[in-house]
Amino acid sequence: AQSVAQPEDQVNVAEGNPLTVKCTYSVSGNPYLFWYVQYPNRGLQFLLKYITGDNLVKGSYGFEAEFNKSQTSFHLKKPSALVSDSALYFCAVRDIATNAGKSTFGDGTTLTVKP
Amino acid sequence: DARVTQTPRHKVTEMGQEVTMRCQPILGHNTVFWYRQTMMQGLELLAYFRNRAPLDDSGMPKDRFSAEMPDATLATLKIQPSEPRDSAVYFCASGLVLIWGSGNTIYFGEGSWLTVV
Repeated sequence: AQSVAQPEDQVNVAEGNPLTVKCTYSVSGNPYLFWYVQYPNRGLQFLLKYITGDNLVKGSYGFEAEFNKSQTSFHLKKPSALVSDSALYFCAVRDIATNAGKSTFGDGTTLTVKP
Repeated sequence: DARVTQTPRHKVTEMGQEVTMRCQPILGHNTVFWYRQTMMQGLELLAYFRNRAPLDDSGMPKDRFSAEMPDATLATLKIQPSEPRDSAVYFCASGLVLIWGSGNTIYFGEGSWLTVV
């Protein structure tokens, strides 16, 4: 079984400050991990993913995420937040041990960046 | 720029009417997912297909929902009869899942925003 938790419903940061959106996961085997962003009235857009290799993954719009196997976490980060980063962020996990290709999504975290 | 295309983008219908949502996956993708998003339940997986064959539809209310892939370029989600509780955003997503343990990305369409009154 696979699951993912986003412990914060809401994250508020000031523009220019660093931001972190948290994600922890649970899988039987090894994980593939994904971050998506959803802007109002839009679909989910892929930001970045961890498959293998470097624990620090860089993605679109200056976002990055760090895979931490011991803490089973994959937190999304950005060094300097923009007002335009305000959106709903989803973490997703897929167990490598399955060939179904089915991902489990978290409940989402609303990021608000204030000017 | 390849993308998943969904129609209609918005639909308002009366309770009891049939609703059909369509999805054109990205060309070459062999796996298609249907998700439903609501404020209360978040993002729920309704059903998904691999090479047009249904793999799992356990998330879908069987009595009124049906999902099909008539061909590789079209997936449909039908609700008959529709009820107000079906009001939600329905997303189609597609990906290329070739081998065991594929880490390929799943891409989402813009959604079909359904309101049943």
